Amino acid sequence: DAGVIQSPRHEVTEMGQEVTLRCKPISGHDYLFWYRQTMMRGLELLIYFNNNVPIDDSGMPEDRFSAKMPNASFSTLKIQPSEPRDSAVYFCASSLELGAEAFFGQGTRLTVV
Amino acid sequence: AQKVTQAQTEISVVEKEDVTLDCVYETRDTTYYLFWYKQPPSGELVFLIRRNSFDEQNEISGRYSWNFQKSTSSFNFTITASQVVDSAVYFCALSEAYGNTGKLIFGQGTTLQVKP
Repeated sequence: DAGVIQSPRHEVTEMGQEVTLRCKPISGHDYLFWYRQTMMRGLELLIYFNNNVPIDDSGMPEDRFSAKMPNASFSTLKIQPSEPRDSAVYFCASSLELGAEAFFGQGTRLTVV
Repeated sequence: AQKVTQAQTEISVVEKEDVTLDCVYETRDTTYYLFWYKQPPSGELVFLIRRNSFDEQNEISGRYSWNFQKSTSSFNFTITASQVVDSAVYFCALSEAYGNTGKLIFGQGTTLQVKP
């Protein structure tokens, strides 16, 4: 398996624009996680899914953020409208089952100007 | 409450020194899982080890060793004879089996700098 695949690797956008980050988890993994990493706040869990169902979205900063997992092989994280404070590295990770280690994608570095 | 605390923000050592990274966790679950990850300067997050709450046996893997103590809710990581390539940010993480089923949260990370 190629591992967790995220796209794009880098995104630069203007404030107010919609941004969509994409993730393909490892095949057969039941859990999918979205994290945001910044210097100030470290690695924050935004939302996670189990078998495509969102379990906990309490980490999503505000209504401008939304995440979907329409099937077992694809998830999106959308920010609309984007703001400069959303600039961060966004990681997607997946794990096989409850309690298993999570494997991370390469991350998407988002810059909102 | 599910929480991971890595009190050491930054550690700097000279090559060949031993270094221990501390991790203290909080959970109400009796079944939980602990992890360590490494984030080198290139930015990817690399899995190092997983431990479940029923296995307190310490583990050694080459220069790396982990000490899990339920009595103090700690899961510390020691690098023996550190090398420059060990320079990275190290994260401790916790996942609960029941309370917040499957939720994987991380500590703030410890930046380790190994100087030649």
